[in-house]
Amino acid sequence: DAEITQSPRHKITETGRQVTLACHQTWNHNNMFWYRQDLGHGLRLIHYSYGVQDTNKGEVSDGYSVSRSNTEDLPLTLESAASSQTSVYFCASSEAGQGYEQYFGPGTRLTVT
Amino acid sequence: QKEVEQNSGPLSVPEGAIASLNCTYSDRVSQSFFWYRQYSGKSPELIMSIYSNGDKEDGRFTAQLNKASQYVSLLIRDSQPSDSATYLCAVGSNDMRFGAGTRLTVKP
Repeated sequence: DAEITQSPRHKITETGRQVTLACHQTWNHNNMFWYRQDLGHGLRLIHYSYGVQDTNKGEVSDGYSVSRSNTEDLPLTLESAASSQTSVYFCASSEAGQGYEQYFGPGTRLTVT
Repeated sequence: QKEVEQNSGPLSVPEGAIASLNCTYSDRVSQSFFWYRQYSGKSPELIMSIYSNGDKEDGRFTAQLNKASQYVSLLIRDSQPSDSATYLCAVGSNDMRFGAGTRLTVKP
């Protein structure tokens, strides 16, 4: 069965370190998304991609970067982790085009100490 | 600023009752609307999508869309304790915006 996976599921890191969160989908979806979820804010879009070599900034992109070298993967990098980036991170994917149903991975809980 | 607003709840209903969840949005060009269910500690799970005005039914769930009023709702009939979760409204145009969610508790 097609699925979307994230790793690691839990991560503790120190302020200032570079961290990369992995997202892998086997749906063969063109679109991939990264969100963070914090109490009181719901899901907020960090970055998204509509295909290989395409990346776009979302609502809360500062301090994060992504790259898309193939259809299956969209890794999220925190260049210099900050305590404000402690959150739960979800990756999602959808079919090509805008406004299609998104399917979410299991999430990564990141703690920056 | 594109906004998606939901009552945070908690909304509490007895088992077997109808739960009504509401959502309003600000971006008039929005074209796609979704309801997700999220259990505590889990990822959002898509339960309904709706693209045109009116009602869409799927089992015990009915989504209602009124683009003129910029309003979308979700009705859950015959609510069960297993429906207890946070329900997220999502609105799509050029990107997807999520509401903060409404926490629903169904009491046996």
